Amino acid sequence: SQTIHQWPATLVQPVGSPLSLECTVEGTSNPNLYWYRQAAGRGLQLLFYSVGIGQISSEVPQNLSASRPQDRQFILSSKKLLLSDSGFYLCAWSVGTGEAEQYFGPGTRLTVT
Amino acid sequence: AQSVTQLDSHVSVSEGTPVLLRCNYSSSYSPSLFWYVQHPNKGLQLLLKYTSAATLVKGINGFEAEFKKSETSFHLTKPSAHMSDAAEYFCVVSDPRGGGGADGLTFGKGTHLIIQP
Repeated sequence: SQTIHQWPATLVQPVGSPLSLECTVEGTSNPNLYWYRQAAGRGLQLLFYSVGIGQISSEVPQNLSASRPQDRQFILSSKKLLLSDSGFYLCAWSVGTGEAEQYFGPGTRLTVT
Repeated sequence: AQSVTQLDSHVSVSEGTPVLLRCNYSSSYSPSLFWYVQHPNKGLQLLLKYTSAATLVKGINGFEAEFKKSETSFHLTKPSAHMSDAAEYFCVVSDPRGGGGADGLTFGKGTHLIIQP
């Protein structure tokens, strides 16, 4: 069966520090991968998605970036964190397009101080 | 363009009473529709999915939803609420031609379900 992992589960970082969040998927090949952010009291905001290795699409301008070095690995990064980057970050995967549902990881709670 | 509206930001019901979470969508095509549940500090879990087959869709944990094209609605129901149902619920519409995000997904803003003992 397929599983999705995210780490770390929680993270407290000072403003201006770098960030690296990792997501890995097991049990499926060539998945579509997604990074979402959920700020307190708000819905989900799609940040990045990837349909293959090295293929990244950004949905919103920001100081975050994403990379997909391997088929089932998706990394969210920042060189310098802002206070506004605080939130709950969710990774998700799907197979196919259109009608395909997405499956979500457990999330990373990021607090920028 | 497509959109999804969850009509209530908060719904409060007593344990053992029915649950109704309302969702309306707008799409120029025949979309797929989903309901997800999110417990505090957890990821989203798929409850159920509609993809143009039966209009009444049964999901996990006793939830079901009915697709009504004439009303452009996809309301989520459960006959009897349990304390463990307290969570955030998201209605999602999917149509790659509808102008949403990746794979045409558009998320509602969520409904917070509160269960009173």
